Order: sequence, then C-alpha cells, then structure tokens
Amino acid sequence: AQSVTQLDSQVPVFEEAPVELRCNYSSSVSVYLFWYVQYPNQGLQLLLKYLSGSTLVKGINGFEAEFNKSQTSFHLRKPSVHISDTAEYFCAVSESFKTIFGAGTRLFVKA
Amino acid sequence: NAGVTQTPKFQVLKTGQSMTLQCAQDMNHEYMSWYRQDPGMGLRLIHYSVGAGITDQGEVPNGYNVSRSTTEDFPLRLLSAAPSQTSVYFCASSYLGGEAFFGQGTRLTVV
Repeated sequence: AQSVTQLDSQVPVFEEAPVELRCNYSSSVSVYLFWYVQYPNQGLQLLLKYLSGSTLVKGINGFEAEFNKSQTSFHLRKPSVHISDTAEYFCAVSESFKTIFGAGTRLFVKA
Repeated sequence: NAGVTQTPKFQVLKTGQSMTLQCAQDMNHEYMSWYRQDPGMGLRLIHYSVGAGITDQGEVPNGYNVSRSTTEDFPLRLLSAAPSQTSVYFCASSYLGGEAFFGQGTRLTVV
C-alpha cells in the first residue's frame, strides 16, 4: 500500500530566502505525485504534479519539485519565498484509484 | 463552473445522531473520494469510488458509509456520530492521473 511521509511538520523561513519541503513516498507500483497548498480556512489547490517524463516539474507561484525514483522522494522547492506563501503544503501520491496525502508541512514566512 | 459542491458547510451533531454529507461534481469525473482533515494528520482517506456502483474503503472507514448511484453524487453517511468524528470533511473528484478537485469542506462538530 502506498504511503507518504512529509519530513518536516513546520518550516519557518525568512522572506526572500529559499525553501525546500521534503516528501518521501512508498509504493509498489508506478505512481503519480502531487503537491497541494492550503491557505487558512480554504480548500486545497494544486501546485504541481508529476505524471511521467521530466523529473523536474514546475508549478504555480514559482514552485518546482523534483522526482527522484531511486530515493522515492518528491521534494518541493522555491528559490525565494514571499509572505504570501505562508500556508500548509501537502504532498500526495496517487496509485491506481486511491490518492493518499502526507500529514502536511506548515510553511511560515517571516518578514 | 460549479466543480465540486459540498453541503452543508457547518454542522453540529449530538452524539448518536446520524447525518449525510452531500457531495456533487459536474466534471464527469470517474473517481470521487471523501477525506477528513485533523490537525497534524493531514487528509486521511475515508472511502472512495471508481465509478457508479463501485466503492471501497480507505484508511479510516469505520463509522462511515458511502454509496454511488450516479457519476455526479457521492454522499457520506455518519451512522451514529461520535466526538471522535469531529473534523473537517472534504470531498474530491478526479480522473485517473489527474489532480483532485476539492469541495470547500464541511466543518463537523459532534458534542
């Protein structure tokens, strides 16, 4: 069965600094990988997804993620964060018909 | 563009009461799912469906029932509410390999 581990529950970072949010997954078959963002009191929206092809995936708001099959990782990065990036970020893995989410990483951007 | 519509947005139940959370999508997606979101635990899959008449259990199915009589609708039933079911519930729909589209959520409190 698939599982997702987000290695950091909270990540504080100063504005304009780079950030990496880490995600590892386990699965016995090929999977699709996603990152979602949730702003306070809102639903989830898609940041980016990896289905196949290039292992570097670019998403909205300047985020990107790299799929590493050998390390079963899908880490999310942004070279320079803004205050408005403060939110909770969820990594998700989709195998066949099920999508499983990680516990989330709360990104807090400080001025 | 309605997308995924959940009702109600808020609900307070007494222990032992039953209720149904409604979910409807107008995107003709095959796959629909119900998640609950609790602090520090991310989104946990309750039940999912791969098409009309086909449902299966997710990670935390106990205390919940689902059915899928049409492609559009996927209601979630709480048979006998318990305080442990206090949570925010999200319905989502998707197609294979695609992103999940989420409803706005239902905040349920069981007293």
